[in-house]
Amino acid sequence: GAGVSQSPSNKVTEKGKDVELRCDPISGHTALYWYRQRLGQGLEFLIYFQGNSAPDKSGLPSDRFSAERTGESVSTLTIQRTQQEDSAVYLCASSRNEGSNQPQHFGDGTRLSIL
Amino acid sequence: RKEVEQDPGPFNVPEGATVAFNCTYSNSASQSFFWYRQDCRKEPKLLMSVYSSGNEDGRFTAQLNRASQYISLLIRDSKLSDSATYLCVVNIVRDTGFQKLVFGTGTRLLVSP
Repeated sequence: GAGVSQSPSNKVTEKGKDVELRCDPISGHTALYWYRQRLGQGLEFLIYFQGNSAPDKSGLPSDRFSAERTGESVSTLTIQRTQQEDSAVYLCASSRNEGSNQPQHFGDGTRLSIL
Repeated sequence: RKEVEQDPGPFNVPEGATVAFNCTYSNSASQSFFWYRQDCRKEPKLLMSVYSSGNEDGRFTAQLNRASQYISLLIRDSKLSDSATYLCVVNIVRDTGFQKLVFGTGTRLLVSP
């Protein structure tokens, strides 16, 4: 596709429910990243994929968070038993390869609100 | 010490002013540097890469000072549309050789009429 696509754009759910967020990277981009951004805060790194392996999961805040990626395509970020502090914008980015000399291109994000 | 540090601002400047932001980084092995722009409630967008010799793109000039481990962004003739948060991005090289891009928390710029 022309850009990174994320869905849904907005998600409102009750505390305790599970949510699944989807990211479709730019075609041909092998590296994929998930970030979280709370209101008025900076980007918080969650996880990075190279292909379908995740060499860096250091940012996942708890075991309620998990992510997977199929091949060099779509990734899903799953949050189980959501809590109110999970409310944030979840941003996905992709880049051409794992080399960090490549800029990342972001999707529009999923705005998650936990009631 | 944070890996990438920026003054959060806000920097309040009138239209037409020149404004500069600095960003310091802790990892002396860093090789790649970028400036991103993020508008309110939008995703970050790449503004420009930062090259060793410095580079210019219209009203925007980026510079790198390896000795002091900082990068800068200069905006000349500020426009109202330049109001945004500017994110400094640096690749951090771990002892294992693993590298990743680290985003600063951003500097907020407000340009007023």
